Amino acid sequence: GQQVMQIPQYQHVQEGEDFTTYCNSSTTLSNIQWYKQRPGGHPVFLIQLVKSGEVKKQKRLTFQFGEAKKNSSLHITATQTTDVGTYFCASPPTGGGNKLTFGTGTQLKVEL
Amino acid sequence: GAVVSQHPSWVICKSGTSVKIECRSLDFQATTMFWYRQFPKQSLMLMATSNEGSKATYEQGVEKDKFLINHASLTLSTLTVTSAHPEDSSFYICSARDSGAEAFFGQGTRLTVV
Repeated sequence: GQQVMQIPQYQHVQEGEDFTTYCNSSTTLSNIQWYKQRPGGHPVFLIQLVKSGEVKKQKRLTFQFGEAKKNSSLHITATQTTDVGTYFCASPPTGGGNKLTFGTGTQLKVEL
Repeated sequence: GAVVSQHPSWVICKSGTSVKIECRSLDFQATTMFWYRQFPKQSLMLMATSNEGSKATYEQGVEKDKFLINHASLTLSTLTVTSAHPEDSSFYICSARDSGAEAFFGQGTRLTVV
């Protein structure tokens, strides 16, 4: 089945440092979504990327979709303590459909 | 954004009993809802797709007789963990979509079987 791997699994940074998580798929993705899950909370949608090579920004967050649509990244500039949480990428099945397969996630901890 | 409400947020039950978890879409109709399971520090694993008015579609390895799903209306899906055992202890989360691409998640239910 479709597998989406994320690296790193964990990341500890000092507040103000940058952070990047990478999402890699063995198959071409029709689109990719990113979610954030705070500790003890539920996933919250951040963004969806659809086009090859697409780049989108949300304040300090930059999302990229690879040219081959097999990988994606989320970069946070100058992390803050509010960025703490686990970041997941997610994508629908290659053949289409509504369900999402979630990546393995990257847990971010930000220290003062 | 759309709101998905899940109840209860946590439950403790005795081994061998059954637990029902409700997932409601509050401001939109959802013909399809999804049930996930999440172990500590792990990703969300899709258990099944709940289809309004028809049988749920279960992912490989998920016991349909153990995890009963009912989607009787366009705003409510229920997951019943039958004859629960300690290994069923986990965080269960539902999600639904309205007309857009993003999935809206319920608050999750932390189940502890003792």
